Amino acid sequence: EVQLVESGGGLVQPGGSLRLSCVASGFTVSGSYMSWVRQAPGKGLEWVSVIFSTGSTFHADSVQDRFSISRDSSKNILYLQINSLRADDSAMYYCVREELDDYGDSYFDSWGQGTRVTVSS
Amino acid sequence: ETVMTQSPDILSVSPGESATLSCRASQSISSSLAWYQQKPGQAPRLLIYGASTRATGIPARFSGSGSGTEFTLTISSLQSEDFAVYFCQQYNNWPPQRTFGQGTKVEIK
Repeated sequence: EVQLVESGGGLVQPGGSLRLSCVASGFTVSGSYMSWVRQAPGKGLEWVSVIFSTGSTFHADSVQDRFSISRDSSKNILYLQINSLRADDSAMYYCVREELDDYGDSYFDSWGQGTRVTVSS
Repeated sequence: ETVMTQSPDILSVSPGESATLSCRASQSISSSLAWYQQKPGQAPRLLIYGASTRATGIPARFSGSGSGTEFTLTISSLQSEDFAVYFCQQYNNWPPQRTFGQGTKVEIK
């Protein structure tokens, strides 16, 4: 059974940094496409970052240069490093495993329960 | 960036009736579209991928259709557990910039 458990969220001051973690079980992070998706309170969903099984990473334009996605294959953990935090980064951050469809494109298959980040002084 | 627009924002439906949700892409995304259901306090759940393929364990009353720029999610005979917010999402472009619609809330009439 696929399980994703996020941690590392909390209250942080503007300009600060956080590292979010996602412990995966039931599959290997290194063999999968993994993303982070966030949701501000009462708002919609926003894709943030992806790491492919090859190790290639991509980020949404809105977080480019401040966010970094990585993984630890030995621990089966996905990370999201967030720097220079701003108030509009306040959100629930979900760890997501992707699956490939018949055409080789990937969709969000399994979601964790999320970890909340609040940026405030 | 491919912009996804859902309509309506809110849909009021009586239990047992059907609901039709729409999603439009600002450019063609072929069939690279997924639908997700989110209930209050919960993570989203995958319903449909590839525009029309139900995910594992999703009841047959959920069906998706469309390709290119116009997509539809139909929920037939709404059950109490179906009242939720529904998001569409495209995953077609390269480099990957996955985008979601703003959501449609299906509420009890």
